[in-house]
This record gives sequence, structure tokens and C-alpha cells, in this order.
Amino acid sequence: EDQVTQSPEALRLQEGESSSLNCSYTVSGLRGLFWYRQDPGKGPEFLFTLYSAGEEKEKERLKATLTKKESFLHITAPKPEDSATYLCAVQAMQDKLVFGAGTILRVKS
Amino acid sequence: DSGVTQTPKHLITATGQRVTLRCSPRSGDLSVYWYQQSLDQGLQFLIQYYNGEERAKGNILERFSAQQFPDLHSELNLSSLELGDSALYFCASSADFYTGELFFGEGSRLTVL
Repeated sequence: EDQVTQSPEALRLQEGESSSLNCSYTVSGLRGLFWYRQDPGKGPEFLFTLYSAGEEKEKERLKATLTKKESFLHITAPKPEDSATYLCAVQAMQDKLVFGAGTILRVKS
Repeated sequence: DSGVTQTPKHLITATGQRVTLRCSPRSGDLSVYWYQQSLDQGLQFLIQYYNGEERAKGNILERFSAQQFPDLHSELNLSSLELGDSALYFCASSADFYTGELFFGEGSRLTVL
């Protein structure tokens, strides 16, 4: 069965304090790995797609990387507005997305 | 704004009742997905429709059903409601069938008392 595990469950950072979120996965035939951001009371918002090991994508202070077993979401010099829950999802050959439980990020000024 | 519209935003009902949640996908998107999000289960895939046809099924209970209409809007019907059905129900849409790049609505929060 396809599984996605995200760590840590929650992360508190000071503004400007860089860190990384982890997403490890077990899937039979990875079609793609996806990162989403979810604000409280809102639907998830798509951030990145990664298809193969070694691939990297960047958007503002966020950079996502992919290996054969995990993905990292690096946050450089975060700001309070980066506070959200970050969800990782994998799409296997069965096509449906399997989401992880998410990492709740809080950035304090 | 993702372009996906869900109604109602909030719904409070009693056990044993039936409710219908409605979703209008982004203009031009043929694929509609329904997800359930609760505190203990995270985001769980329920069902996917593509251009009116059911394409994939996840952990959807037999008490739940969905359909996609010719104008591409979709409805999720929840019946014989139980306390445990209280959750956020999200609709998402995408242009392609195989993509994992989904556009989510703001959700319908269902509370069963």
C-alpha cells in the first residue's frame, strides 16, 4: 500500500530561521510527488510537482527536492506569512493521490 | 481564488439525515475529485469523476454517493449520517485526468450532531 509520512508534525521557527520539512514515501511506481500549502479553513493550494530523483523546484523562499525515497521542502529565511500546513502527496501508477498528514509550520516574528 | 466553488460552506445536521454538497469546477476542467479531511484521518480521497464518468474510487462509504453532471458540476450525497462523518469535504478539479496538480475549493464543513 502506498504510504506518505511527513515530519516533523509541527515546526516552530523564528522569522529568518531556515529549516526543512521531510516527506518520506513508499509507492509502487512513482508517477509524481506534489507539495501543497494549506491555510486554516482553506483548501490546499498546489505548490510544486517533482517527477524524478534529483529534481528541484523553487518558488520564492521555498525549494523542493526529491530523492528515491523522500522529498524535502526547504524554507529559507521564512516570514510569518509562510505559516501554514504543508502537505506532501504522491501519485502512483494507480493514479490517485495519497496525501501525508502534513507539517504545521509556525513562523514567529 | 482557485476558481473551484463549493456550497454550502457550513452545514449542521442531525444523525440519520441526508445532505448534498455541491461543487463547480474551474472553467474548462473536466476532472472533479472529492476529499474528506478530518483531524484524525488527514486528507482522504473519496472519488473522482472525469467528464461525467466515475474514474477512481477511494475510501468512500456505501452511504456516500456522487455524480458529475453534463455541465461538469458535481454533487456529493451523504446519507444516514453518523457523528463520525463530521469533517471538511473538499472538492478539487483539474484539466487532465492523470495530473496530481489539483485546484481545491474552500470546502464544506459538515457537523453532525
